[in-house]
Amino acid sequence: DAGVIQSPRHEVTEMGQEVTLRCKPISGHDYLFWYRQTMMRGLELLIYFNNNVPIDDSGMPEDRFSAKMPNASFSTLKIQPSEPRDSAVYFCASSRRGGLGEKLFFGSGTQLSVL
Amino acid sequence: AQKITQTQPGMFVQEKEAVTLDCTYDTSDPSYGLFWYKQPSSGEMIFLIYQGSYDQQNATEGRYSLNFQKARKSANLVISASQLGDSAMYFCAMREGKGTGFQKLVFGTGTRLLVSP
Repeated sequence: DAGVIQSPRHEVTEMGQEVTLRCKPISGHDYLFWYRQTMMRGLELLIYFNNNVPIDDSGMPEDRFSAKMPNASFSTLKIQPSEPRDSAVYFCASSRRGGLGEKLFFGSGTQLSVL
Repeated sequence: AQKITQTQPGMFVQEKEAVTLDCTYDTSDPSYGLFWYKQPSSGEMIFLIYQGSYDQQNATEGRYSLNFQKARKSANLVISASQLGDSAMYFCAMREGKGTGFQKLVFGTGTRLLVSP
C-alpha cells in the first residue's frame, strides 16, 4: 500500500512568493495533519482535518498560512506571501481514526527554503 | 510546561549494544498514550512503538521495548542489539485522552542516536 505522499520534496522560493505544498493521505484514513519541523520549535501541529473538515487550526502561525482538503485524497498547505522564517520541513500525516492509540503515518516531508 | 521532555540531545552506542533513550511526560489525565518515532537522515517519521496508560505490560516490538514507569511518568525506549541503521533522531510523543473528541499528538524535542561500528 502507498503511504502518505507529499510533493514537492524540496522547494526553494523567494520571499513574497506563494508556496503550495501538497499531500495525498493513505486511502481510508479519516484524519489528516499538517506539521512543521524546525530546529528551534521542533514538531508543531499546524492544522488537522477530520473527514475533509478542518477541526483545529490553532497552530497555524499567521493568516499567511491556509490549508484545504477538497476531498478525501488531497490536501494543500499554502503560504502567501512566504517569508524566510517559514523555512522548515513540512510534514503531512494521516491516521485511520482518532482513538487514543491511533498512530500517525507521515509523509516524507517537504523541505521549504525561503530566500 | 513541557508535556514531553527528552533530556538527551545526543547518545552514542556501539553496534550490538543496548541503549536507552529517556522520555518523561507531564499529564494529569489518567488516560493517555505514548509513542516513539524514528527519523533517519532521509527525513521521514517512522512509528516504532506505542504504550497505553492502562496497559499492564510494557510494550515490545522486535528490538524495541518501552520501559514504562507510570509513577515516575517516564516512558524510556530501549533498543537492544543496536545496528548501524538505528542511527537517527528519536522522538517521544504523547496523546492525552481527556474529554471527548480527538486530542493531538505532542512531540518531544528528540534525541539523536549515533551507532558506531
